[in-house]
Amino acid sequence: DAKTTQPPSMDCAEGRAANLPCNHSTISGNEYVYWYRQIHSQGPQYIIHGLKNNETNEMASLIITEDRKSSTLILPHATLRDTAVYYCIVRVWVSNSGYELNFGKGTSLLVTP
Amino acid sequence: DAGVIQSPRHEVTEMGQEVTLRCKPISGHNSLFWYRQTMMRGLELLIYFNNNVPIDDSGMPEDRFSAKMPNASFSTLKIQPSEPRDSAVYFCASSLGEGGGYTFGSGTRLTVV
Repeated sequence: DAKTTQPPSMDCAEGRAANLPCNHSTISGNEYVYWYRQIHSQGPQYIIHGLKNNETNEMASLIITEDRKSSTLILPHATLRDTAVYYCIVRVWVSNSGYELNFGKGTSLLVTP
Repeated sequence: DAGVIQSPRHEVTEMGQEVTLRCKPISGHNSLFWYRQTMMRGLELLIYFNNNVPIDDSGMPEDRFSAKMPNASFSTLKIQPSEPRDSAVYFCASSLGEGGGYTFGSGTRLTVV
């Protein structure tokens, strides 16, 4: 399984961009990178995913390096409500029936006023 | 859409008692996942169903744990007998096959005393 490495914690000032890095140097060519976040006491929330190309949605942007060994999640204008644990996950194929997401420890992002 | 619905939200039980956690996935989703979250071990995948069939139960800690999915709209996770070390938040998630993200429920906080 491709493992991911994230910094345990980061700070960001409100209104600034939050850039959360993730290393996944053992990723295979057909494995997707997923990002989730978990706000205290809630279930994880899907943010975005990608394979090779950069992706953007209403929540965030995902930048994947050309060699796919790392990625960065960008929250363009962080708010206090973005304070959460952010998980970078490589989706793995299981048998012939589907995929699994195995969560690591994530990055605890603190957005400060 | 009501999302993934889990019940109960909180459960306190005595050691040795049977505990049943329930999950209703999003209608139309064909994959269902049970996760357990503790401070020490983070989010762990326990079992994964695809089209109501268990695909990967390698994360189930021991024989005291069992999970069923009798139909596409309902799943249970049972612990019998329960032990204090089973205390955790148990999350259920569902997804629509390949691609996209998982939608998590709000979780069941289990306390075994």
